[in-house]
Amino acid sequence: DAKTTQPNSMESNEEEPVHLPCNHSTISGTDYIHWYRQLPSQGPEYVIHGLTSNVNNRMASLAIAEDRKSSTLILHRATLRDAAVYYCILRDDAPSGTYKYIFGTGTRLKVLA
Amino acid sequence: DTGVSQDPRHKITKRGQNVTFRCDPISEHNRLYWYRQTLGQGPEFLTYFQNEAQLEKSRLLSDRFSAERPKGSFSTLEIQRTEQGDSAMYLCASSPASLAGGNEQFFGPGTRLTVL
Repeated sequence: DAKTTQPNSMESNEEEPVHLPCNHSTISGTDYIHWYRQLPSQGPEYVIHGLTSNVNNRMASLAIAEDRKSSTLILHRATLRDAAVYYCILRDDAPSGTYKYIFGTGTRLKVLA
Repeated sequence: DTGVSQDPRHKITKRGQNVTFRCDPISEHNRLYWYRQTLGQGPEFLTYFQNEAQLEKSRLLSDRFSAERPKGSFSTLEIQRTEQGDSAMYLCASSPASLAGGNEQFFGPGTRLTVL
């Protein structure tokens, strides 16, 4: 079962920041927080991941709560091309793990022109 | 394009027929995954290979499903005696040997199966 909770959908205006929340209250010490997005008719694509500290890359920023029970994906300026389903996933990176992803239903982001 | 490729992109078959899908991962990626995605749901893990060894299979993978990766490169997923409930998008992903927390999976475009 998915170990994360996300809103089903969100809307944003173009060129405005978007904050996509994710709750993961049962996160364990070896769980990394990964975000993927899936554009229509495509496979998922990697966005960002982190463990404890906030992370930035060219696509987005990831803000992780101090207790690690929640996180927020931040798109600094939404564009129409960012309309997608965004998945927040915990990946158990214990040495015995297979590093598989357990996806939930994600958040469908609609960007308004 | 050196990404993950899948073939065919679409497959329509009649109930009871066998189908086989192929996945070509990014070269040098030794980990390969299969997922299944139905409408409105996130992808569900099916199975995982490290090189040619199949190391994990989901309970979703019934006896009618079999996956192989004979030379540690491309992989095939076969569904025997297809049922209408098998209609879904079948996604393949690959990744290099994993460092903790890193080495994201690169997904292919998927094969959409429709069972009539």
